[in-house]
Amino acid sequence: SQTIHQWPATLVQPVGSPLSLECTVEGTSNPNLYWYRQAAGRGLQLLFYSVGIGQISSEVPQNLSASRPQDRQFILSSKKLLLSDSGFYLCAWTHRIGEQYFGPGTRLTVT
Amino acid sequence: SQQGEEDPQALSIQEGENATMNCSYKTSINNLQWYRQNSGRGLVHLILIRSNEREKHSGRLRVTLDTSKKSSSLLITASRAADTASYFCATDEGKDDKIIFGKGTRLHILP
Repeated sequence: SQTIHQWPATLVQPVGSPLSLECTVEGTSNPNLYWYRQAAGRGLQLLFYSVGIGQISSEVPQNLSASRPQDRQFILSSKKLLLSDSGFYLCAWTHRIGEQYFGPGTRLTVT
Repeated sequence: SQQGEEDPQALSIQEGENATMNCSYKTSINNLQWYRQNSGRGLVHLILIRSNEREKHSGRLRVTLDTSKKSSSLLITASRAADTASYFCATDEGKDDKIIFGKGTRLHILP
Protein backbone atom coordinates (compact mmCIF):
# COMPACT_ATOMS: atom_id res chain seq x y z
CA SER A 1 0.00 0.00 0.00
CA GLN A 2 1.05 3.57 -0.60
CA THR A 3 1.94 5.99 2.15
CA ILE A 4 3.01 9.60 2.16
CA HIS A 5 5.19 11.16 4.81
CA GLN A 6 5.79 14.77 5.70
CA TRP A 7 8.12 16.22 8.25
CA PRO A 8 8.41 17.98 10.47
CA ALA A 9 4.84 18.08 11.80
CA THR A 10 5.30 21.52 13.33
CA LEU A 11 7.96 24.14 12.90
CA VAL A 12 8.59 27.56 14.40
CA GLN A 13 11.14 29.63 12.55
CA PRO A 14 12.27 33.26 12.82
CA VAL A 15 11.87 35.68 9.95
CA GLY A 16 14.82 35.50 7.58
CA SER A 17 15.75 31.92 8.41
CA PRO A 18 15.87 29.15 5.79
CA LEU A 19 13.24 26.46 5.36
CA SER A 20 13.25 22.89 4.18
CA LEU A 21 10.14 20.72 4.27
CA GLU A 22 10.33 17.19 3.00
CA CYS A 23 7.72 14.90 1.54
CA THR A 24 8.26 11.29 0.54
CA VAL A 25 5.95 8.74 -0.98
CA GLU A 26 6.22 4.98 -0.57
CA GLY A 27 4.63 2.15 -2.46
CA THR A 28 4.26 3.78 -5.86
CA SER A 29 6.42 5.04 -8.69
CA ASN A 30 6.40 8.09 -10.94
CA PRO A 31 3.68 9.93 -9.02
CA ASN A 32 2.62 13.50 -9.61
CA LEU A 33 3.58 15.47 -6.52
CA TYR A 34 2.03 18.66 -5.18
CA TRP A 35 2.75 21.27 -2.51
CA TYR A 36 -0.20 23.28 -1.15
CA ARG A 37 -0.39 25.98 1.50
CA GLN A 38 -3.47 26.57 3.61
CA ALA A 39 -3.92 29.72 5.64
CA ALA A 40 -5.95 29.41 8.83
CA GLY A 41 -9.58 28.61 8.02
CA ARG A 42 -8.99 28.98 4.30
CA GLY A 43 -8.77 26.86 1.18
CA LEU A 44 -5.72 25.27 -0.36
CA GLN A 45 -3.39 27.29 -2.52
CA LEU A 46 -1.40 25.27 -5.04
CA LEU A 47 2.26 26.26 -4.77
CA PHE A 48 4.15 23.74 -6.89
CA TYR A 49 3.54 20.52 -8.73
CA SER A 50 5.83 18.02 -10.39
CA VAL A 51 5.16 15.34 -12.99
CA GLY A 52 8.67 13.87 -12.86
CA ILE A 53 12.18 14.15 -11.47
CA GLY A 54 13.52 17.65 -11.96
CA GLN A 55 10.23 18.88 -13.44
CA ILE A 56 8.71 21.60 -11.29
CA SER A 57 5.82 23.89 -12.16
CA SER A 58 5.37 26.97 -10.02
CA GLU A 59 1.95 28.43 -9.47
CA VAL A 60 2.71 31.33 -7.19
CA PRO A 61 5.80 33.53 -7.59
CA GLN A 62 7.27 34.05 -4.13
CA ASN A 63 10.29 33.33 -2.04
CA LEU A 64 9.58 29.60 -1.96
CA SER A 65 11.06 26.99 -4.27
CA ALA A 66 10.59 23.27 -4.77
CA SER A 67 12.81 20.46 -5.91
CA ARG A 68 12.35 16.79 -6.76
CA PRO A 69 15.74 15.12 -6.45
CA GLN A 70 14.28 11.62 -6.51
CA ASP A 71 11.15 10.07 -7.97
CA ARG A 72 9.30 9.93 -4.68
CA GLN A 73 10.81 12.89 -2.86
CA PHE A 74 9.52 16.46 -3.00
CA ILE A 75 11.18 19.28 -1.08
CA LEU A 76 9.87 22.76 -0.35
CA SER A 77 12.50 25.36 0.47
CA SER A 78 13.09 28.98 1.21
CA LYS A 79 16.30 30.92 1.68
CA LYS A 80 14.67 33.60 3.85
CA LEU A 81 11.27 33.15 5.45
CA LEU A 82 8.71 35.94 5.63
CA LEU A 83 5.94 36.34 8.19
CA SER A 84 3.46 35.70 5.38
CA ASP A 85 4.93 32.23 4.85
CA SER A 86 3.18 31.00 8.00
CA GLY A 87 0.56 28.39 7.30
CA PHE A 88 -0.26 24.73 6.99
CA TYR A 89 1.74 23.05 4.23
CA LEU A 90 0.36 19.95 2.63
CA CYS A 91 2.03 17.55 0.25
CA ALA A 92 -0.02 15.27 -1.98
CA TRP A 93 0.51 12.71 -4.69
CA THR A 94 -1.57 11.30 -7.49
CA HIS A 95 -1.22 9.21 -10.57
CA ARG A 96 -2.04 11.70 -13.27
CA ILE A 97 -5.50 13.21 -12.91
CA GLY A 98 -7.33 11.38 -10.18
CA GLU A 99 -7.66 10.93 -6.47
CA GLN A 100 -5.03 12.82 -4.49
CA TYR A 101 -3.51 11.37 -1.36
CA PHE A 102 -2.44 13.90 1.22
CA GLY A 103 0.22 13.82 3.85
CA PRO A 104 -0.46 14.87 7.45
CA GLY A 105 0.84 18.39 6.86
CA THR A 106 3.42 20.69 8.44
CA ARG A 107 2.28 23.65 10.49
CA LEU A 108 4.80 26.45 10.00
CA THR A 109 4.84 29.51 12.22
CA VAL A 110 7.20 32.29 11.26
CA THR A 111 7.93 34.63 14.17
CA SER B 1 -5.82 30.67 -9.91
CA GLN B 2 -9.14 29.74 -8.29
CA GLN B 3 -11.17 27.11 -10.05
CA GLY B 4 -13.76 25.75 -7.63
CA GLU B 5 -15.87 27.90 -5.36
CA GLU B 6 -17.94 26.24 -2.65
CA ASP B 7 -21.19 27.55 -1.35
CA PRO B 8 -22.08 28.12 1.44
CA GLN B 9 -18.86 29.04 3.21
CA ALA B 10 -20.26 27.67 6.46
CA LEU B 11 -23.22 25.47 7.31
CA SER B 12 -24.67 24.37 10.64
CA ILE B 13 -27.40 21.73 10.77
CA GLN B 14 -28.93 19.41 13.31
CA GLU B 15 -27.73 15.84 13.54
CA GLY B 16 -29.84 13.63 11.32
CA GLU B 17 -30.58 16.32 8.77
CA ASN B 18 -29.18 16.34 5.26
CA ALA B 19 -26.34 18.69 4.32
CA THR B 20 -25.94 20.08 0.83
CA MET B 21 -22.87 21.90 -0.41
CA ASN B 22 -22.35 23.35 -3.84
CA CYS B 23 -19.31 23.97 -6.00
CA SER B 24 -18.98 26.09 -9.10
CA TYR B 25 -16.02 26.13 -11.46
CA LYS B 26 -14.92 28.14 -14.44
CA THR B 27 -13.25 26.04 -17.14
CA SER B 28 -13.80 22.68 -18.77
CA ILE B 29 -12.80 19.75 -16.62
CA ASN B 30 -12.02 16.06 -16.90
CA ASN B 31 -13.33 15.29 -13.44
CA LEU B 32 -14.37 16.88 -10.17
CA GLN B 33 -13.52 15.60 -6.73
CA TRP B 34 -14.74 16.22 -3.21
CA TYR B 35 -12.48 16.05 -0.18
CA ARG B 36 -12.97 16.32 3.53
CA GLN B 37 -10.61 17.87 6.07
CA ASN B 38 -10.85 17.54 9.82
CA SER B 39 -9.34 20.45 11.71
CA GLY B 40 -5.55 20.51 11.49
CA ARG B 41 -5.33 17.36 9.38
CA GLY B 42 -4.63 16.44 5.80
CA LEU B 43 -7.42 16.08 3.27
CA VAL B 44 -9.19 12.81 2.65
CA HIS B 45 -10.64 11.95 -0.72
CA LEU B 46 -14.39 11.31 -0.70
CA ILE B 47 -15.55 10.86 -4.25
CA LEU B 48 -14.56 11.56 -7.86
CA ILE B 49 -17.06 12.20 -10.62
CA ARG B 50 -15.99 12.28 -14.25
CA SER B 51 -17.17 14.88 -16.70
CA ASN B 52 -19.37 12.34 -18.51
CA GLU B 53 -21.13 11.32 -15.31
CA ARG B 54 -24.11 13.14 -13.83
CA GLU B 55 -24.50 11.50 -10.45
CA LYS B 56 -22.50 9.27 -8.16
CA HIS B 57 -23.17 7.67 -4.79
CA SER B 58 -20.91 6.46 -2.02
CA GLY B 59 -22.57 5.41 1.22
CA ARG B 60 -24.34 8.49 2.61
CA LEU B 61 -22.74 10.72 -0.02
CA ARG B 62 -24.38 11.76 -3.25
CA VAL B 63 -22.57 13.93 -5.78
CA THR B 64 -24.09 15.50 -8.86
CA LEU B 65 -22.34 17.22 -11.73
CA ASP B 66 -23.87 19.61 -14.24
CA THR B 67 -21.22 20.48 -16.81
CA SER B 68 -23.56 22.86 -18.63
CA LYS B 69 -23.80 24.97 -15.47
CA LYS B 70 -20.24 24.18 -14.39
CA SER B 71 -21.47 23.16 -10.97
CA SER B 72 -21.53 20.23 -8.60
CA SER B 73 -23.26 19.43 -5.35
CA LEU B 74 -22.38 17.18 -2.45
CA LEU B 75 -25.23 15.81 -0.36
CA ILE B 76 -24.57 14.12 2.95
CA THR B 77 -27.67 12.32 4.17
CA ALA B 78 -28.57 11.58 7.79
CA SER B 79 -25.71 13.69 9.12
CA ARG B 80 -23.72 12.65 12.15
CA ALA B 81 -21.57 14.59 14.59
CA ALA B 82 -18.52 12.95 13.02
CA ASP B 83 -19.35 14.65 9.72
CA THR B 84 -18.26 17.97 11.22
CA ALA B 85 -15.36 19.05 8.99
CA SER B 86 -14.47 21.25 6.04
CA TYR B 87 -15.41 20.01 2.59
CA PHE B 88 -13.57 21.01 -0.56
CA CYS B 89 -14.21 20.49 -4.23
CA ALA B 90 -11.27 20.14 -6.57
CA THR B 91 -11.02 20.23 -10.32
CA ASP B 92 -8.43 19.83 -12.99
CA GLU B 93 -8.41 22.46 -15.69
CA GLY B 94 -8.69 19.97 -18.53
CA LYS B 95 -5.24 20.48 -19.94
CA ASP B 96 -2.53 19.56 -17.48
CA ASP B 97 -1.94 17.85 -14.21
CA LYS B 98 -2.89 20.73 -11.93
CA ILE B 99 -5.61 20.13 -9.39
CA ILE B 100 -7.17 23.28 -8.00
CA PHE B 101 -9.17 23.42 -4.78
CA GLY B 102 -11.95 25.73 -3.74
CA LYS B 103 -12.08 27.60 -0.45
CA GLY B 104 -14.25 24.98 1.20
CA THR B 105 -17.46 24.74 3.18
CA ARG B 106 -17.18 24.41 6.94
CA LEU B 107 -19.87 22.01 8.08
CA HIS B 108 -20.90 21.85 11.72
CA ILE B 109 -23.29 19.17 12.89
CA LEU B 110 -25.18 20.19 16.02
CA PRO B 111 -26.06 17.48 18.54
